[in-house]
Amino acid sequence: SQQGEEDPQALSIQEGENATMNCSYKTSINNLQWYRQNSGRGLVHLILIRSNEREKHSGRLRVTLDTSKKSSSLLITASRAADTASYFCAPGHQAGTALIFGKGTTLSVSS
Amino acid sequence: DAGVTQSPTHLIKTRGQQVTLRCSPKSGHDTVSWYQQALGQGPQFIFQYYEEEERQRGNFPDRFSGHQYPNYSSELNVNALLLGDSALYLCASSRDRVEKLFFGSGTQLSVL
Repeated sequence: SQQGEEDPQALSIQEGENATMNCSYKTSINNLQWYRQNSGRGLVHLILIRSNEREKHSGRLRVTLDTSKKSSSLLITASRAADTASYFCAPGHQAGTALIFGKGTTLSVSS
Repeated sequence: DAGVTQSPTHLIKTRGQQVTLRCSPKSGHDTVSWYQQALGQGPQFIFQYYEEEERQRGNFPDRFSGHQYPNYSSELNVNALLLGDSALYLCASSRDRVEKLFFGSGTQLSVL
C-alpha cells in the first residue's frame, strides 16, 4: 500500500469561495478515496473514484482523477464554515489491502 | 444501526504501563483496521484484522499487538508505553474486499 500526498498542507478561504486540494501518488491504483476529519474526530468517507473514471460528483464535491499524472483533485464549491476540517486522500490498490493516509490538507473556511 | 464504537474515549497512562483499546465494528463488517494519529499528523496504519488474524501490518514495533474476536470486535494492546505513544487511536471497519472505511470517534491516549 502507498499513501497519497495532499497539497497544499493548509488552505484558508472565505465562505462562498471554492476550495481545491490536490493529491499525488506513485504507483498504479484501482481507486482513490477522499475522507474528511473534523478536529479530534474520526474520518468520514466523502467519495470514491475508480481508476477508469475521470470525474465524479457528490453534492458540492467534485473529484477528478488523472491516472497518467497519478494525481487527483477535490473541489468543494460554495464553501461553508462547516467545511472547516482536514481532508485526506487514500489511493486504493488490491481489494482488502489497507488504506494509507498522508498528512492531509487543513481547510479553514471563515465567515 | 450503530456505527463503529470505540472505548474508552479518553485514557491517561504513565510510561511503562500497558493499555487495551476496544472497537466494535459497524454491523455487517468483518474487517477492522487500527490507526494512530499524532497531533497535526495524518492517521498512521498500525494493522488490519480479518477472520481473527492479522492480515496486514504497518511499521509499528511489536509492543503494538491486537486481537479480533469471532463477533469481529477488536482490541489494540500497547505494552511498555512511551511518551510518544500519546495520540488519537482510530478504529475503522469495512466489509472484506469493500474499499470504503467507516471510522469510530477514536480513543485519545495520553502517556505521562
